[in-house]
Order: sequence, then structure tokens, then C-alpha cells
Amino acid sequence: DTGVSQDPRHKITKRGQNVTFRCDPISEHNRLYWYRQTLGQGPEFLTYFQNEAQLEKSRLLSDRFSAERPKGSFSTLEIQRTEQGDSAMYLCASSEWTGNTEAFFGQGTRLTVV
Amino acid sequence: QQQVKQSPQSLIVQKGGISIINCAYENTAFDYFPWYQQFPGKGPALLIAIRPDVSEKKEGRFTISFNKSAKQFSLHIMDSQPGDSATYFCAAVTDKLIFGTGTRLQVFP
Repeated sequence: DTGVSQDPRHKITKRGQNVTFRCDPISEHNRLYWYRQTLGQGPEFLTYFQNEAQLEKSRLLSDRFSAERPKGSFSTLEIQRTEQGDSAMYLCASSEWTGNTEAFFGQGTRLTVV
Repeated sequence: QQQVKQSPQSLIVQKGGISIINCAYENTAFDYFPWYQQFPGKGPALLIAIRPDVSEKKEGRFTISFNKSAKQFSLHIMDSQPGDSATYFCAAVTDKLIFGTGTRLQVFP
């Protein structure tokens, strides 16, 4: 297994368009997290899954954001009607079944909204 | 209560010196404290982690010191090298990771 994989690595989109990102976690990992990181800041929690169940979503997260993890394997993060403020690095991480074990991050998807 | 405070924001160290980064938390429910290293354009990479029942953990040149009563923990990088130049994040975990704001470390030859 080569670790957490994210696709695409870079995405440029026009304001108002919808975008979808994919994350493939480490195969034995039950937990999958999405984070957002802007320049000079620490990663900010968005949501996480335990298998296919979405257990928590950040209260700061706009309802334009939705995430899924069908069958408890890969996950997708969709942003509808993108805004310039959505420009950021979107990071995915996975870990074994509890939160307090090692979490491994992918390389991220850099989103630029123009 | 969910915040993790990290300092300093930036750090400049001579090659061979010791780099020290500090973090503090409020929520006593946190039960796992990892440190991540991040290079520009890359995702964070797990460096070392500690649980609150241990006061110190060492892996190679990297050591975490943990003070449960003060709710503080720190990362020490011994014999700092130019290749250590990166941004370092502490985190505290319950069911998800809460990150500090990051420390940009520059190690000069």
C-alpha cells in the first residue's frame, strides 16, 4: 500500500462551478478525515467518517460542502457553487478505527477559484 | 476549549543547534498528541507522537516532552539540520485531530 492518495493534485475552477475531490485511504483504515488548509495556517477540520458513516461535520462548514464515503472505502468531497474563499489545500487523512492512533495524510488537492 | 496554542510562529536555528517548539491545550479529554512535519506543497507527515501517560518519548533526534499537569507539550529537535527546515504542527486528538497554528523552522548551515 502506498499510503493515502488524493486526486486531483491541483484544480483551477471558475467561481460558481462545482468541484469534486477524491481520496483513497490506506486500505485497512476505517477512519477517514477531511481537512482544509490555507496558507500559513494549520489544517482545519471539516468532517470525518467511520467506515461509511459520517460521524461529525464542522459547524463552520457551509452547506455547499458535502462528503461521502460509499462502502467505507474511498471518499469524495464536493463543493457546490465555489467561491474565491474556498481556495485552499484540501487534505485527506486516514487512521485505524479509533481517533487516537496514527493518522496519515495524503498530498492534498490544491483548489484555486478564479 | 478545543484550541491548541503553538509557539513560536517562526524559528531560526544554526545547524547543529536545538530547535524547541511548544504547544498548550485546555481540553483534558485529549488523549493523543502527534507532531507533523510539512514541506511546501506537501501533506503533513507524522513525525512522532505521545500519549499522556508518558512524560517523554524519543525517536532519533526528535523528542517530545509532555507535562500533563501543565497541559503543555514540546518538540525538541537535536542536532538540527538544514533538511529539517519545514513547518511543524502539533496536534491534540480525541476523535479527530485539532492542530496548532504551526511553526516555520529554518536551519542555516
